[in-house]
Amino acid sequence: EIVMTQSPATLSVSPGERATLSCRASESVSSDLVWYQQKPGQAPRLLIYGASTRATDIPARISASGSGTEFTLTISSLQSEDSAIYYCQQYKNWPYTFGQGTKLEIK
Amino acid sequence: EVQLVQSGAEVKKPGESLKISCKGSGYDFSTYWIGWVRQKPGKGLEWMGIVYPGDTDIRYSPSFKGQVFMSTDKSTNNAYLEWSSLKASDTAMYYCARLVVGPPYFDFWGQGTLVTVSS
Repeated sequence: EIVMTQSPATLSVSPGERATLSCRASESVSSDLVWYQQKPGQAPRLLIYGASTRATDIPARISASGSGTEFTLTISSLQSEDSAIYYCQQYKNWPYTFGQGTKLEIK
Repeated sequence: EVQLVQSGAEVKKPGESLKISCKGSGYDFSTYWIGWVRQKPGKGLEWMGIVYPGDTDIRYSPSFKGQVFMSTDKSTNNAYLEWSSLKASDTAMYYCARLVVGPPYFDFWGQGTLVTVSS
């Protein structure tokens, strides 16, 4: 089973600044990676698939990159609405697996 | 409009059985996999497995194989997640979600069903 490790566990950033979240796979997943955002009390929402392709209606200030074992999600011009937990998930090999999440706090 | 509507919260005792549902609408239910994801209180997301309504093909994550049973009824556009004997450790929020194929990701999610197992 591929283990996904996200860092940091918690990130606190001021409004208007940029947040960088990391995700590492225990073995190569090529570009077979998605990012989800989960706000308190809500179901997750798809942000990114194919490691770097934004889903429908996701703003351009949210971007992602990486391939193989190292991936990054970047959120620019942070707003209070970005406060959430962000999960990466690989779909290279079954079983598909999530990272443990990064909690993004807006100061 | 694509929607997945899940059944309501449940409170059960250890050893009891349970079946929760996820009803799809606004799309051809038979042509998309439905996945189930567990989230224990205050914890992260866990893939449980996926089921294809078109031919009832099921793929369980190894951690959940033998622990739950997934099924669908395409005549009513419902997917189901079932336990034969609940444990306290099954207490969690359970989400269903529609899986897009190629690449496979969840594009629409249900609102979640909270299952509480307590004596």
